[in-house]
Amino acid sequence: AQSVTQLGSHVSVSEGALVLLRCNYSSSVPPYLFWYVQYPNQGLQLLLKYTTGATLVKGINGFEAEFKKSETSFHLTKPSAHMSDAAEYFCAVSQPSGYSTLTFGKGTMLLVSP
Amino acid sequence: DAGVIQSPRHEVTEMGQEVTLRCKPISGHDYLFWYRQTMMRGLELLIYFNNNVPIDDSGMPEDRFSAKMPNASFSTLKIQPSEPRDSAVYFCASSLDRGEAFFGQGTRLTVV
Repeated sequence: AQSVTQLGSHVSVSEGALVLLRCNYSSSVPPYLFWYVQYPNQGLQLLLKYTTGATLVKGINGFEAEFKKSETSFHLTKPSAHMSDAAEYFCAVSQPSGYSTLTFGKGTMLLVSP
Repeated sequence: DAGVIQSPRHEVTEMGQEVTLRCKPISGHDYLFWYRQTMMRGLELLIYFNNNVPIDDSGMPEDRFSAKMPNASFSTLKIQPSEPRDSAVYFCASSLDRGEAFFGQGTRLTVV
């Protein structure tokens, strides 16, 4: 079984400030981890993913996430927020073997103020 | 590739009517997923296919919901009869060998 918990349904930051979106997962085996972004009236778009290897993963639009096995976390960060980052962000987990689907968290809405 | 294509983008129908949502996955992808997104329940996996075969439909809410994948390039999700509580955004996604899922733009369904 696998699950994802995203802390905070809404996160507000000022333009230029650090973005930190939290994600904790539960998985019985080493997981694959993903962050997706959803802009209004759009589908989900992959930001970045972790499968194996380097635990610090860089994605599009300046985002990165670090896989921390000891903390079962995969938090998403960006050093400096931009207005265009305002969107909903979803963390997801899957397992690398057998039939495994993505399990999504509830999502975190990122609000960016001028 | 144009990505995952869903149609229609918006659908408004009356309660009791049949609704059919359509999806064309990315060519070469062997997994196809149907998700439903609502404010209350977030993203829910309804059903997924591997090589056109339904693998897990445990997320399908009721017998009113059915999905088919007659070939590798087309899938449908049907609701018959539709009810107001079925109002949601329905997403189709495809992936290659358990890689990341690529999502369509979604179909916003409103049942009045």
